[in-house]
Amino acid sequence: SQQGEEDPQALSIQEGENATMNCSYKTSINNLQWYRQNSGRGLVHLILIRSNEREKHSGRLRVTLDTSKKSSSLLITASRAADTASYFCAPSGGSNYKLTFGKGTLLTVNP
Amino acid sequence: SAVISQKPSRDICQRGTSLTIQCQVDSQVTMMFWYRQQPGQSLTLIATANQGSEATYESGFVIDKFPISRPNLTFSTLTVSNMSPEDSSIYLCSGSGGDSYNEQFFGPGTRLTVL
Repeated sequence: SQQGEEDPQALSIQEGENATMNCSYKTSINNLQWYRQNSGRGLVHLILIRSNEREKHSGRLRVTLDTSKKSSSLLITASRAADTASYFCAPSGGSNYKLTFGKGTLLTVNP
Repeated sequence: SAVISQKPSRDICQRGTSLTIQCQVDSQVTMMFWYRQQPGQSLTLIATANQGSEATYESGFVIDKFPISRPNLTFSTLTVSNMSPEDSSIYLCSGSGGDSYNEQFFGPGTRLTVL
């Protein structure tokens, strides 16, 4: 299975600013999913982008995918304190649908 | 999207005992998975729960320690057997439709503390 590596490992911004997190992976994929995890809780599914898509939006979230560079980015616009969480990318390829998680990006949004 | 619930949400257990965690999905899903998240760490896949057959375990995880059941397309259980303090973790189940473009949704997790 694939593993995504998120970068940076930690990001601290002020409320209202934009936050960009990056994800890199190693082999070809069918799709890539982004998740959010608030401290000690379950994963919340944010967005799935297919390998034939380049950009996808959902509310304040914008995800891009560059399969030639094997990378994806998650942009959160006009961040809020409630966006404080860890963010994980999960690339998926092959037929087993297993997800392998990296260390994530810890985003802190200061009021 | 699928809504996944887990029971219990948290538990404190004694060393040497076992705990069974239940995972319920509000719709049929082809694939179900169990993950562990140790304190301060990322998620690690324990096994794929296969309906009507034995689970498929990842390297480092064995059926005797983590028996899994999946009697139908909406329900699965994970048992943590003969627990030790090292088993203190959050355990999460997830479900997916099984199509390569299906999202994988997660339950809220079960926080286990072993004394």
